[in-house]
Amino acid sequence: EPEVTQTPSHQVTQMGQEVILRCVPISNHLYFYWYRQILGQKVEFLVSFYNNEISEKSEIFDDQFSVERPDGSNFTLKIRSTKLEDSAMYFCASRVGRERAEKLFFGSGTQLSVL
Amino acid sequence: DAKTTQPTSMDCAEGRAANLPCNHSTISGNEYVYWYRQIHSQGPQYIIHGLKNNETNEMASLIITEDRKSSTLILPHATLRDTAVYYCIVRVEGFQKLVFGTGTRLLVSP
Repeated sequence: EPEVTQTPSHQVTQMGQEVILRCVPISNHLYFYWYRQILGQKVEFLVSFYNNEISEKSEIFDDQFSVERPDGSNFTLKIRSTKLEDSAMYFCASRVGRERAEKLFFGSGTQLSVL
Repeated sequence: DAKTTQPTSMDCAEGRAANLPCNHSTISGNEYVYWYRQIHSQGPQYIIHGLKNNETNEMASLIITEDRKSSTLILPHATLRDTAVYYCIVRVEGFQKLVFGTGTRLLVSP
């Protein structure tokens, strides 16, 4: 089965630094998502992206966050100035976008640790 | 999104059927019921979804009550690898995001 690929699997950064998390969604998918999960907490929606623009975002997704699809295959999440509370597992997801009800395919995540 | 209620945890013996309930009493006519699971800290994995009819695939069966206010996910022969957190989610057709709750932590024991 096709997979959503995320790199790196682990990223350690200093507070205040910029980080970019990378995702390669499944090739024919049109809708892209970022979720995060702080250790021991729920999986939280951050943002959805379609047709090269943000279609929905949560309260968590403030001005420090941005997403981009720089080419035909990658989907990135940038955190401009990381905070300790940004430490979490970040999941990318995608779906085809052509049917009434579709499943989301999730990647295996990037564990971000902010020191 | 309509809210769901699931038991916090459940146990199941290996080889037996695991029946995971979910209440979604405020579900509306165009909302689908989705089930995902998360094994340890891996990405959520799709299991099954349905609208009105019962559904079955290679992973599980989904039984939805006639009034659609509750559903049950059935893993017919649970294995140790089915130990995970199982999420029941209702989602409006065309509505883009999935909203995860706290789910049911299923422990399958030998």
